[in-house]
Amino acid sequence: QKEVEQDPGPLSVPEGAIVSLNCTYSNSAFQYFMWYRQYSRKGPELLMYTYSSGNKEDGRFTAQVDKSSKYISLFIRDSQPSDSATYLCALYNQGGKLIFGQGTELSVKP
Amino acid sequence: GAVVSQHPSWVICKSGTSVKIECRSLDFQATTMFWYRQFPKQSLMLMATSNEGSKATYEQGVEKDKFLINHASLTLSTLTVTSAHPEDSSFYICSARESRTGTLYYGYTFGSGTRLTVV
Repeated sequence: QKEVEQDPGPLSVPEGAIVSLNCTYSNSAFQYFMWYRQYSRKGPELLMYTYSSGNKEDGRFTAQVDKSSKYISLFIRDSQPSDSATYLCALYNQGGKLIFGQGTELSVKP
Repeated sequence: GAVVSQHPSWVICKSGTSVKIECRSLDFQATTMFWYRQFPKQSLMLMATSNEGSKATYEQGVEKDKFLINHASLTLSTLTVTSAHPEDSSFYICSARESRTGTLYYGYTFGSGTRLTVV
């Protein structure tokens, strides 16, 4: 069983739609939860990070963590074509390593 | 903000030759750098962790003699793919962790990646 599971998609939505991206994880020792955005042929850039269960909002982005279910989500409101990218969830363990999900390829159509 | 510069952004080499990829932290000191490999439509897989002035720690299944990592200074780490073969073709990405943030997760900054094609 992989430590982090993420549906690779691809996911295609019309401009303005609400996008929901999700990951599940198996190790309850994970403490920090991140979402990265990766454009084609580029390195990942950090979008959001959370520590505890609950929601965290930043503009059009909302990160949600449910530790009891080992489930994390990223919501994108009013999606734009510029949001088209691959979104990777990443979990940080006490060993100092980031464990990435497979990434979900998102395409927002004008 | 923190910037990590990675060069080259892409490289094509002949089978059997060696390729060096550089990763530099431009405006901060990085005691620890990480090297990842990413195949198309797949996640980032950690290859090794390098600490300045010491030997790199490789993940299980990664050949130490094939992927040589040097972290000679607080701002530079290099990955050398030795005797490259077509199966080594991949996207290699480095990440650096700022010294001042210690083990805190948000100290990670990624380079822009290097696409290696071995022909």
